[in-house]
Amino acid sequence: EAGVVQSPRYKIIEKKQPVAFWCNPISGHNTLYWYLQNLGQGPELLIRYENEEAVDDSQLPKDRFSAERLKGVDSTLKIQPAELGDSAVYLCASSWGLAGEQDTQYFGPGTRLTVL
Amino acid sequence: GNSVTQMEGPVTLSEEAFLTINCTYTATGYPSLFWYVQYPGEGLQLLLKATKADDKGSNKGFEATYRKETTSFHLEKGSVQVSDSAVYFCATGAPGNQFYFGTGTSLTVIP
Repeated sequence: EAGVVQSPRYKIIEKKQPVAFWCNPISGHNTLYWYLQNLGQGPELLIRYENEEAVDDSQLPKDRFSAERLKGVDSTLKIQPAELGDSAVYLCASSWGLAGEQDTQYFGPGTRLTVL
Repeated sequence: GNSVTQMEGPVTLSEEAFLTINCTYTATGYPSLFWYVQYPGEGLQLLLKATKADDKGSNKGFEATYRKETTSFHLEKGSVQVSDSAVYFCATGAPGNQFYFGTGTSLTVIP
């Protein structure tokens, strides 16, 4: 079974440029998560989708970040414009369950973003 | 809200040494507890989990027991190998399946 797929693996951009990350979750997983991982830290949730609905986006900086999960399968996270402080690893994860269930989350390899 | 505090690293051990990485949690209700491992250049992988008090999760020689009385979920391995070198994250689940991760503990095992 294929795991969570993310692309690109690495991205280097200049500040004020836009950038987008793509994630394809494990087939059949209802819930999809985007996390931000700074160096030396644990992942922090940005947004969680249940099917196509964003059910928790309280930590997403909405002035510059946006996300979508059309058709409830793959998802895109966008930053526009990027700032120096956005340099981090962006992780995507998915799980079977819906709200109220504490299912195992399966992570993709992440996209390492460097903003110059 | 839920949170996790785990032992700071880095930890350096010789091969075949005993490993303990401490993790304590605060949570409302009865969260599931997880240990994830992140090998260099890779994403997080589930190492083990426990869903209720006194449960013991185990995998690849690693173990952790869900201790409700001490709100702990310490990770242990009797004999570490060089291939265990990685960053280990403790995490607690929460209602709505939002996970809270610790800051990670870097382990280096030297031959």
